[in-house]
Amino acid sequence: DQQVKQNSPSLSVQEGRISILNCDYTNSMFDYFLWYKKYPAEGPTFLISISSIKDKNEDGRFTVFLNKSAKHLSLHIVPSQPGDSAVYFCAASITGNQFYFGTGTSLTVIP
Amino acid sequence: NAGVTQTPKFQVLKTGQSMTLQCAQDMNHEYMSWYRQDPGMGLRLIHYSVGAGITDQGEVPNGYNVSRSTTEDFPLRLLSAAPSQTSVYFCASSSRGRGARDTQYFGPGTRLTVL
Repeated sequence: DQQVKQNSPSLSVQEGRISILNCDYTNSMFDYFLWYKKYPAEGPTFLISISSIKDKNEDGRFTVFLNKSAKHLSLHIVPSQPGDSAVYFCAASITGNQFYFGTGTSLTVIP
Repeated sequence: NAGVTQTPKFQVLKTGQSMTLQCAQDMNHEYMSWYRQDPGMGLRLIHYSVGAGITDQGEVPNGYNVSRSTTEDFPLRLLSAAPSQTSVYFCASSSRGRGARDTQYFGPGTRLTVL
């Protein structure tokens, strides 16, 4: 049973516009959430994270929002750039030992 | 620093063969883990280790063994390969210190095909 879900397999956005990637989870015990970016033939790379005691975390063009009541988090990329084209995975953790990943969303930023 | 390295990059096995996927990190990280990535399934945790001599099972441990005799190395063993183990395997490591909690650094992956 998938505890972390990314319901949009793909997303296309014009360069300069906002990209919004969504993630839902089912386990209310998750207390730490992360986003990873993955290029083809490479391992995922860490992008941004958020603790369950916060509802927003920013790092440059990337902002993650957490809505605990809805068990939903989102990643906003503003402005989107062609180099942002990649697969984005959200992940969640309870103890910091076990991590549950979503199925990924493939983002294409159109120049 | 080389970061997290994995060997081999590609491997083809026949059903029933055994092999070991190698993973090493030079960042003195305590936590190491193995994932497999399958189409439509995301990354699923196979086994993890919180330090030398300590290992535990993840979501999908069946058919795989691990050991952690040193901080640097965390090999994954397939004892009798099956076609269902065809996948891309990623090793990851992270520091357990404050500020770096749960930020995992991933290796480039090993693409395994079992015929």
